[in-house]
Amino acid sequence: GDSVTQMEGPVTLSEEAFLTINCTYTATGYPSLFWYVQYPGEGLQLLLKATKADDKGSNKGFEATYRKETTSFHLEKGSVQVSDSAVYFCALSDTGANSKLTFGKGITLSVRP
Amino acid sequence: KAGVTQTPRYLIKTRGQQVTLSCSPISGHRSVSWYQQTPGQGLQFLFEYFSETQRNKGNFPGRFSGRQFSNSRSEMNVSTLELGDSALYLCASSWGTSGLTEQFFGPGTRLTVL
Repeated sequence: GDSVTQMEGPVTLSEEAFLTINCTYTATGYPSLFWYVQYPGEGLQLLLKATKADDKGSNKGFEATYRKETTSFHLEKGSVQVSDSAVYFCALSDTGANSKLTFGKGITLSVRP
Repeated sequence: KAGVTQTPRYLIKTRGQQVTLSCSPISGHRSVSWYQQTPGQGLQFLFEYFSETQRNKGNFPGRFSGRQFSNSRSEMNVSTLELGDSALYLCASSWGTSGLTEQFFGPGTRLTVL
């Protein structure tokens, strides 16, 4: 079945540092790929998405490129802020007629001032 | 536009009891999905409803059930609660059922089973 693997956490960075969070997936067909963020005490918010190979999703300075050849969707940000501290989830969905999301384990990011 | 709302936000039950959680989707959204979030298992898909019909179901025992009403509001029920059912239950809504449509999540219901 479909699966998503994220790098182990937690990750602690200083403000303005470069961020990379690795995500690889296993799926049949051509899934859509997503990054969700969860702030303390809240539900998940969609951060960015990509629906086909070589698409780049971007939002709030975060970027991720859908790499079919390496089955990856790594999240990057050039300069993190304290307000980026949260849990980040990589996810995929089958582009067929259901919207079930398969999530990675999530990784906690803490950014120090 | 109001977001997805879930009630109650917190719930404490004892083993063997049953519980019902409620989700009101964003106005106009007809698809509602439910997820269980635990520290050990992460986020796991429970089921999806569209136009009052269950479209998809995750790998959970029959104690977990759900339904959707004609106004798209959804409820999930867990019977004969076990300690392992303690989790954050998240509801998500979208206008359609395709994997391409964006899902919007509610804040969740935190269930504690004692």
